[in-house]
Amino acid sequence: DADVTQTPRNRITKTGKRIMLECSQTKGHDRMYWYRQDPGLGLRLIYYSFDVKDINKGEISDGYSVSRQAQAKFSLSLESAIPNQTALYFCATSAWTSSYNEQFFGPGTRLTVL
Amino acid sequence: DAKTTQPNSMESNEEEPVHLPCNHSTISGTDYIHWYRQLPSQGPEYVIHGLTSNVNNRMASLAIAEDRKSSTLILHRATLRDAAVYYCILTAGNTPLVFGKGTRLSVIA
Repeated sequence: DADVTQTPRNRITKTGKRIMLECSQTKGHDRMYWYRQDPGLGLRLIYYSFDVKDINKGEISDGYSVSRQAQAKFSLSLESAIPNQTALYFCATSAWTSSYNEQFFGPGTRLTVL
Repeated sequence: DAKTTQPNSMESNEEEPVHLPCNHSTISGTDYIHWYRQLPSQGPEYVIHGLTSNVNNRMASLAIAEDRKSSTLILHRATLRDAAVYYCILTAGNTPLVFGKGTRLSVIA
């Protein structure tokens, strides 16, 4: 079984709809992240959480919200989806270390907003 | 965040070594150099990281310049499976990764 899972894997929705993307992990990591990737570009950080009671905005948090329901679960919501939120979304996890940051990524969710 | 500069794309023949460069002239003393790669239709995966000394692991080697203003990821024998986008990323301690556009490596059979 995959260590980091994302549901759904693909989603097509309409402008104005509320969408939730879910991420679960079995790695026992305390840190979780949401990124989006647009074609031909690198990943951009949306939100991250260092533990259940900690939520931090990333580079592009506008239009998104998150919920850390448990150590193993981190959900990303689009309250009112718009077409320019069409992208590939990745969840990632990492354990705390004093130095390097090895992040483990899920398989991604492809979201299309019409 | 300290910025990195990588070539947009590189090409290699199968079973030959590949040297992927990265410039990071504004690196600070506490920045770690990370390399990740993203295979087609997958999320990124960790390749290697280092601080000052050269590093080797089962996937690759990382050569870090003495002044730390540049580094090179070395794949000793490229395979078709190594075709991916390679990202060079600097992080201070345990901060989230900030991705640039990376280098797209093509491997020719």
